[in-house]
Formats: sequence, C-alpha cells, structure tokens
Amino acid sequence: EAQLVESGGGLVKPGESLRLSCAASGFTFSSYIMNWVRQAPGKGLEWVSSISASSSYIFYTDSVKGRFTISRDNAKNSLNLQMDSLRAEDTGVYYCAREHTAAGSGRWFDPWGQGTLVIVSS
Amino acid sequence: QSALTQPASVSGSPGQSITISCTETSSDIDDYNFVSWYQQHPGKAPKLLIYDVSERPSGVSVRFSGSKSVKTASLTISGLQSEDEADYYCASYTSTSWVFGGGTKLTVL
Repeated sequence: EAQLVESGGGLVKPGESLRLSCAASGFTFSSYIMNWVRQAPGKGLEWVSSISASSSYIFYTDSVKGRFTISRDNAKNSLNLQMDSLRAEDTGVYYCAREHTAAGSGRWFDPWGQGTLVIVSS
Repeated sequence: QSALTQPASVSGSPGQSITISCTETSSDIDDYNFVSWYQQHPGKAPKLLIYDVSERPSGVSVRFSGSKSVKTASLTISGLQSEDEADYYCASYTSTSWVFGGGTKLTVL
C-alpha cells in the first residue's frame, strides 16, 4: 500500500527557515510526480508546488516563488520542501501528495500524507 | 486567473441525496474533463473520492458519484450517512499548476 509520511513542521519566527520532508513507501517513488499542498487554519486546500519524477520540471504557486524550493531524492524515496523567508501567511498544515495518472486519463492526488503543521509567528 | 467555485455549505438528512457543484470560471484549465474530488474529515488528510469526473477508486462507496455538464462538475452523495459529514473539494489543473475549489462543508442533519 502506498504511504506518505511528512515531518519537519514546527514553530518558527517570520523570516526564518524550515525544511519539510516526506518519506514515501509502498510504490515506485521515482516514477511519480510529487506535490506539496497546504491548508491554512480553517481554510481550504492550496496547491504549493510540484516536481516531476526526474526533477526536470518544477512549478510553484506565485506566493512562494523565490522563497520555497522543492526537491526529491529518488534513491531515498524522499520529497523535500525548503521554506525560506517564512511569513505568517505560510502558517498551516502541509501535505505531500502523489500525483497519479494513467494512460488516457487525467491526473489526481492519491494518496496524501497525514500532514505536518507549520506555524510562523513572532 | 483559474478558479473553481463551490458552494460554501450544503446539508441533508440521513438517507437523502445531495449534490455539490464545482464551476470553472476561467479558461486556463487544461481539460475540465479531468476533475477530481476529495473528502476531508476534521483533522484528517484529504481522501480521493472521484477522479476523471466520474471514476471511483476501489474502496470508495458507490454512494459517491460524479458528473459534468460543460463548465460545472458535480459530486452527488446518495443515501446520506452521518459519516459523510465532512468538507469536500474539487480540483483540476493547468499546464503548470493545480487549482482547488474553495471547499464545501456538508452537514448531515
């Protein structure tokens, strides 16, 4: 069974940095696009970033461009999100999610990790 | 600007059916035939319910179904049960990003 487990969340001050990790198991990690999705307290889901299977293609939502860096280590089945210059509005639960697709089909997220909480506050 | 619009809340009684709509209000989305739906219970991670508008993953109850008409995708839950009370999100994608609807809170009366 495919499983994702995030870690690295915590409480930091505005302007500080944090590195999130997501450990994958139960599937061929190197074959899948991976994503980070976040959720501010009491708010909806917001896509943050995606990285292709070979790291050739990387995309970010506008609000984190230049501050966040997504990366992956296929040898270690690990997805990372380096978050610099953190702001209060970055507070929320961060989920990693596998992007699944099939021939002739679209794309969807499955599974999701349990999430890791990031709090940016002075 | 890509946007998917959902009603903020819907409600229904046990045994009834409800429908949640998700309307695309931009032309950026690659192909609105590829909408997915997610269920999220409080404090839990989202769970895939529907992909490719109407396909149901194994393990998801047949009470959940999806459909689409032009720019509006819909999630229907039949035979409402108390455990269906949750937040529901639709999602689609452009060539460089993903878009989520604002979410709909389902209350089972």
